Parts: sequence; C-alpha cells; structure tokens
Amino acid sequence: IAGITQAPTSQILAAGRRMTLRCTQDMRHNAMYWYRQDLGLGLRLIHYSNTAGTTGKGEVPDGYSVSRANTDDFPLTLASAVPSQTSVYFCASSDSGQGHTDTQYFGPGTRLTVL
Amino acid sequence: GQNIDQPTEMTATEGAIVQINCTYQTSGFNGLFWYQQHAGEAPTFLSYNVLDGLEEKGRFSSFLSRSKGYSYLLLKELQMKDSASYLCAVMDSNYQLIWGAGTKLIIKP
Repeated sequence: IAGITQAPTSQILAAGRRMTLRCTQDMRHNAMYWYRQDLGLGLRLIHYSNTAGTTGKGEVPDGYSVSRANTDDFPLTLASAVPSQTSVYFCASSDSGQGHTDTQYFGPGTRLTVL
Repeated sequence: GQNIDQPTEMTATEGAIVQINCTYQTSGFNGLFWYQQHAGEAPTFLSYNVLDGLEEKGRFSSFLSRSKGYSYLLLKELQMKDSASYLCAVMDSNYQLIWGAGTKLIIKP
C-alpha cells in the first residue's frame, strides 16, 4: 500500500506557465487537502475536498484550482504560475472531512520553483 | 485572528528530556495535533489531544490545557533520530487545521 503519492517530486517552472501537481491516495479516504509550506510559516491550506465531487477554499486559494472527479485523485493546478508560488506543496488525506477530527496523512511533497 | 506559537528552535542532548511548548488562540477548538517532520520529508502524526491532561505514547507524551490555550510535547530518552521539526496544529470550529511554524529540534551527542 503506497498511501499517498505526489508527482512530480520537484519542478522548476517559468513564470506564466500552467502546472498541475498530481496527488493520488489508495486508502479510500473521503477527504483530501492541499497545503503549501514556506520557511518560517506554518502549513497553509490552499483547497480541500470533503468527498468526491466537492471542493472548498482554504486560507490561500488565489491562483490555484482543484478538482475531485473520484475518491483517489486530487490534482492542484496553477493556471499561470508566479514566483510567489515557489513553495513545497503537500497533499494530505483523512478518512472523514468536515465535522470530524480525523488524523491527516501526508504525501511526500512537491518542491516547486517558479522563476 | 488565529495564532499558534511555538519556539523556532531548541537544542537538547542525546538521552535527555525536552519539552516543546505550543500556545494557541483559535476560533473554536476541536483538538490539538502534534506532527513530526524530518528535513525534506512529509509531516507524520504523533499525537492528538482534545481533553485536558497528559497522553503518553512510549517516549513521547503530549499535554493539553484548554483553559490556558497551551500544550506541550515531551520527548524522553532523546535519540539522534529525534532531530526533526515538531509541528503543533489546532483544529478550529470549522474543522480546519491551523498550523504553527514548527520547532526545529537539534539533538547533540
């Protein structure tokens, strides 16, 4: 069982380009999350999905979009990347979503650099 | 606003005990989590407290005081592999996790 996988591991991207970060989980978790982690700051929630077919905005959603077509996959898209989106991106999942205190489990992360 | 405070960095000696503190001010409270994150890796779950008191799990213990908005993570019999960042996170009234910036723990021989 792989848990949560993310791709790519790292990426260098020119500003203005479109980029999709992939996230797949095999735990049949209902809820999935995208965070960014920047030096000196806590993890910040970008978008989340409590169940397949639904998504919601987190603390820092601007410049990002997500979709949740099925239980396993939760891609994050940067429509037109900017240097301030340089960060480490973590995907996470939990058994339940809104209204539950389930533990979140994290993927290995994607290190993105926008030049 | 919502705020989680924890020390930026701490140093301890192998075999010793260290306490990492976390104070919080959030909109509602549905539990407090501690995660461990080694450099370049994903955060991994350590503990969850929702009621006041101490939860012990092997060499790691976590304490919560809701009235004081305070928690600590206690690590005993420190090992070199415990060198990592320790993240405190509070689940708010919307069941979203609010994260502290993390405490980098350096273990010296």
